[in-house]
Amino acid sequence: GAGVSQSPRYKVAKRGQDVALRCDPISGHVSLFWYQQALGQGPEFLTYFQNEAQLDKSGLPSDRFFAERPEGSVSTLKIQRTQQEDSAVYLCASSSQGLAVDEQYFGPGTRLTVT
Amino acid sequence: AQSVAQPEDQVNVAEGNPLTVKCTYSVSGNPYLFWYVQYPNRGLQFLLKYITGDNLVKGSYGFEAEFNKSQTSFHLKKPSALVSDSALYFCAVSFYSSASKIIFGSGTRLSIRP
Repeated sequence: GAGVSQSPRYKVAKRGQDVALRCDPISGHVSLFWYQQALGQGPEFLTYFQNEAQLDKSGLPSDRFFAERPEGSVSTLKIQRTQQEDSAVYLCASSSQGLAVDEQYFGPGTRLTVT
Repeated sequence: AQSVAQPEDQVNVAEGNPLTVKCTYSVSGNPYLFWYVQYPNRGLQFLLKYITGDNLVKGSYGFEAEFNKSQTSFHLKKPSALVSDSALYFCAVSFYSSASKIIFGSGTRLSIRP
């Protein structure tokens, strides 16, 4: 079946604008993760959903970041009043059971550039 | 603090030679260890994982990794490198107690010269 998809692939926003990034996980996958990957760095955990429940949002860097997964499938990461330091690649991943042993399947990412 | 270290930013190997990409971890409890690979303009792909049991795990594309508890290491290896193995490799760790706590290393760029 299809893998994890993300849209848009590229987004340029002026500082202060709000953006919304979409993730379509693999169908039937229970868990969904968002990561932020700065240039030359590994992915940094942002938040985690199990079905529609957001079980961990400890990685969200500020209250300008908000994520939702209302029906337990598609997820949206919203960033309000974007700042230059928000420029990064935002990765979405899903896993089948939501267990620590599960491998994660990653989307291609959304590259956000804030000017 | 829980952490994963990849001490080499870049590893250069000639095609046909063996390769090793190093990873060490610092965690409390028993970790689950992963290797992921990132090709240009493509998403991260799972290579292999260690959960328990045999310390040598085999994964995709001929890669294997050896878990060493005493040295807290999980080095990625391949007996004979291919040019197509050139990519960015990430070591990662998760924990039984928290499915969400996936910690990635900073990555190692592997470059295989013909």
